Amino acid sequence: GESVGLHLPTLSVQEGDNSIINCAYSNSASDYFIWYKQESGKGPQFIIDIRSNMDKRQGQRVTVLLNKTVKHLSLQIAATQPGDSAVYFCAEIPGSNDYKLSFGAGTTVTVRA
Amino acid sequence: DTAVSQTPKYLVTQMGNDKSIKCEQNLGHDTMYWYKQDSKKFLKIMFSYNNKELIINETVPNRFSPKSPDKAHLNLHINSLELGDSAVYFCASSQLPRSSGGTDTQYFGPGTRLTVL
Repeated sequence: GESVGLHLPTLSVQEGDNSIINCAYSNSASDYFIWYKQESGKGPQFIIDIRSNMDKRQGQRVTVLLNKTVKHLSLQIAATQPGDSAVYFCAEIPGSNDYKLSFGAGTTVTVRA
Repeated sequence: DTAVSQTPKYLVTQMGNDKSIKCEQNLGHDTMYWYKQDSKKFLKIMFSYNNKELIINETVPNRFSPKSPDKAHLNLHINSLELGDSAVYFCASSQLPRSSGGTDTQYFGPGTRLTVL
């Protein structure tokens, strides 16, 4: 399953398939990006991050891709599992401020058994 | 062991009351934050403290006052609660800022769901 465009609030994906969650950012000065996962009733949990001097970073079952030309960030989840059902947020830190993390609106991922 | 903890988890109160939410982190981080998450899941930063010093203060009504007694604690006091204050409030912490050789990864607490009646 894949979310497209600036923002798609929900994404439904079959268990075992790969998921792609997209995020567009507006600040060309942003140099650090993070993906968070928020399960129901819990706080956001760090998944993976990437700095602007990279275009790809891989973690365990997750890959983040950064396209600075079009200011686009994506999170790919391989072999999606029921435990991956959550709201996923992309967040950016503008280069001018080390502290201010700006969150996107979030995409709700639902994994179908 | 909980890295970032908040109390209470749920808070239901009447309009006009004053309430506090407490946050503690045992990660040894220097920077702590308060975020507000609305009903549409949108997360917005409210405040940030670094070593007990206020470094971010977004456009938040002055009814909201953060207090940091030490770098492991950042409490949020809210005066004269209004209906629109109903939300989930998250505390977070991070290590030293990048300019001091640290990272930006913020670790979040479990949240406090505030309901104003």
